[in-house]
Amino acid sequence: AQSVSQHNHHVILSEAASLELGCNYSYGGTVNLFWYVQYPGQHLQLLLKYFSGDPLVKGIKGFEAEFIKSKFSFNLRKPSVQWSDTAEYFCAVNALNNAGNMLTFGGGTRLMVKP
Amino acid sequence: SAVISQKPSRDICQRGTSLTIQCQVDSQVTMMFWYRQQPGQSLTLIATANQGSEATYESGFVIDKFPISRPNLTFSTLTVSNMSPEDSSIYLCSVEAGGYTFGSGTRLTVV
Repeated sequence: AQSVSQHNHHVILSEAASLELGCNYSYGGTVNLFWYVQYPGQHLQLLLKYFSGDPLVKGIKGFEAEFIKSKFSFNLRKPSVQWSDTAEYFCAVNALNNAGNMLTFGGGTRLMVKP
Repeated sequence: SAVISQKPSRDICQRGTSLTIQCQVDSQVTMMFWYRQQPGQSLTLIATANQGSEATYESGFVIDKFPISRPNLTFSTLTVSNMSPEDSSIYLCSVEAGGYTFGSGTRLTVV
């Protein structure tokens, strides 16, 4: 079964700092990859997704992620964070050819941006 | 992408009672997924619900505790039975329709 690791559990940044959140997965086959964001008190929202094609994926709110197949990674980046980016970020993987077709989530990274 | 209406959005329940959570989707979907998000933790899949068949439960979750109904292709319910404080969590339903969409969640507190 696939697993997803997010290395940073808590990240604290000042506004305008650059952000990179790590995500690695364990599955040797074809995958679909996702980043979700959960703002305080709100439900999950999709930031971006990778299915195929250009491994550099651009999402909403200035976020992007790069799929590096050789490293089994899908790191999330933003060049300049804002206070409003304070939230919890979840990486998720859907392993194709998986009979269950469900998402497996990483443990989440809680980002706090100081104004 | 699909739109999911989930209710209730929150509830406070007495231990030993049961709560049924409903999810309505605005389009027909084959699979619906139920997740649990315990305080401060990530999402864990409880079960996958297909219309017309028994739900498939993940390790650590059983039908007696979390019975699921899937009467048609747009609707599903999850019941949390004989609740204890350890069941206090956010419960979410999800569908895969051109991308995974989640309901707004049900925040359950068991006292």
